[in-house]
Amino acid sequence: AQSVTQLGSHVSVSEGALVLLRCNYSSSVPPYLFWYVQYPNQGLQLLLKYTSAATLVKGINGFEAEFKKSETSFHLTKPSAHMSDAAEYFCAVSDQAGTALIFGKGTTLSVSS
Amino acid sequence: GAVVSQHPSWVICKSGTSVKIECRSLDFQATTMFWYRQFPKQSLMLMATSNEGSKATYEQGVEKDKFLINHASLTLSTLTVTSAHPEDSSFYICSARLTSAAFSASTDTQYFGPGTRLTVL
Repeated sequence: AQSVTQLGSHVSVSEGALVLLRCNYSSSVPPYLFWYVQYPNQGLQLLLKYTSAATLVKGINGFEAEFKKSETSFHLTKPSAHMSDAAEYFCAVSDQAGTALIFGKGTTLSVSS
Repeated sequence: GAVVSQHPSWVICKSGTSVKIECRSLDFQATTMFWYRQFPKQSLMLMATSNEGSKATYEQGVEKDKFLINHASLTLSTLTVTSAHPEDSSFYICSARLTSAAFSASTDTQYFGPGTRLTVL
């Protein structure tokens, strides 16, 4: 069975600081990994996805994530936080392209000025 | 491209009534759509997988007679919560699987609707 663990339910950074949101996965097959962002009372927006191509994946809004098989991790980073990045972030995994996603519990990112 | 809509965005109903939520892929065809529910401050939990022209596949613990799913066309899936009760109050989110390479959007990826907040009194 697949699972996702997001370390830290709440991360706080200052504007301009590095953002690091952690995600570890468990999968018996090569995984498809995703990061989604959710703003209050809205649906999810895809930030980026990993599908066994390049291990460093660049997404929208300056975010990127690196797939590390040896660490079973897919951490999300952004060099410089912006106030508009404050939101809920979900890491998700699936075992095949386009199949149902298993989500982590989410990490709330707060950005202070 | 790859836009998914849901209607209504929020609904309040009395206990015992039924509520229908629509999920539409506006600019692409989706043979597969998914329904999730999200409780406050929690993650999304998959309820069912909806395939066009066939019966939905429900996750363990989800009552198929209570949560009726119909995927009658390639752009529309509906979720009907029958005989709703206060414990059914939640945020319901659908997603549609994009398989066509017609967009610059990522293929074989789920695109999510904005969600429907259901409150049962």
